[in-house]
Amino acid sequence: GDSVTQMEGPVTLSEEAFLTINCTYTATGYPSLFWYVQYPGEGLQLLLKATKADDKGSNKGFEATYRKETTSFHLEKGSVQVSDSAVYFCALSELGSGSARQLTFGSGTQLTVLP
Amino acid sequence: DAGVIQSPRHEVTEMGQEVTLRCKPISGHDYLFWYRQTMMRGLELLIYFNNNVPIDDSGMPEDRFSAKMPNASFSTLKIQPSEPRDSAVYFCASSHWTGGATDTQYFGPGTRLTVL
Repeated sequence: GDSVTQMEGPVTLSEEAFLTINCTYTATGYPSLFWYVQYPGEGLQLLLKATKADDKGSNKGFEATYRKETTSFHLEKGSVQVSDSAVYFCALSELGSGSARQLTFGSGTQLTVLP
Repeated sequence: DAGVIQSPRHEVTEMGQEVTLRCKPISGHDYLFWYRQTMMRGLELLIYFNNNVPIDDSGMPEDRFSAKMPNASFSTLKIQPSEPRDSAVYFCASSHWTGGATDTQYFGPGTRLTVL
């Protein structure tokens, strides 16, 4: 079945540091890939997504490129801020039994950015 | 738009009691998902509905769990009887099928359930 493997956390960085959170996936078909972010006490929010190989998703300074050859979708940001402190989830979706694109999530990576 | 609304935000109950969690999806969305989040198991899909009809409930852990969607604007997840191992954060999410490559799921704030 489909699965998503994320970099183990927690990750602690200083403000303005470079961020990489690794994500690799296993899927039978051609999934869409997502990064969701969860701030403390809140639900998950879509951060960015990519639908096919070599697509780059970007939002709020975060980027991730869909790499089919390495089955990866690593999240990067050039300069993190304290406000980026959150849990980040990599996810994939493929058509399910009801034609809905069910999400399979990674385990999440806790990011803490220190001032 | 108000987003996905869940109630209650926090629920503390005793083992053996019935618990009902509620969700109001975003208006116009035709898919509704229930997830459970725990430290040990991460995010798990429990069940999802399409146009109020349950499509896949393979993630529902036991017969103690049941979910309904009587209309397009309301869904419930019920646990009866509740057990301490049911303690978790339960999320509801909704999406709209566009037929495109991706359909974003919008999550509610979650209900934190504690079963003593």
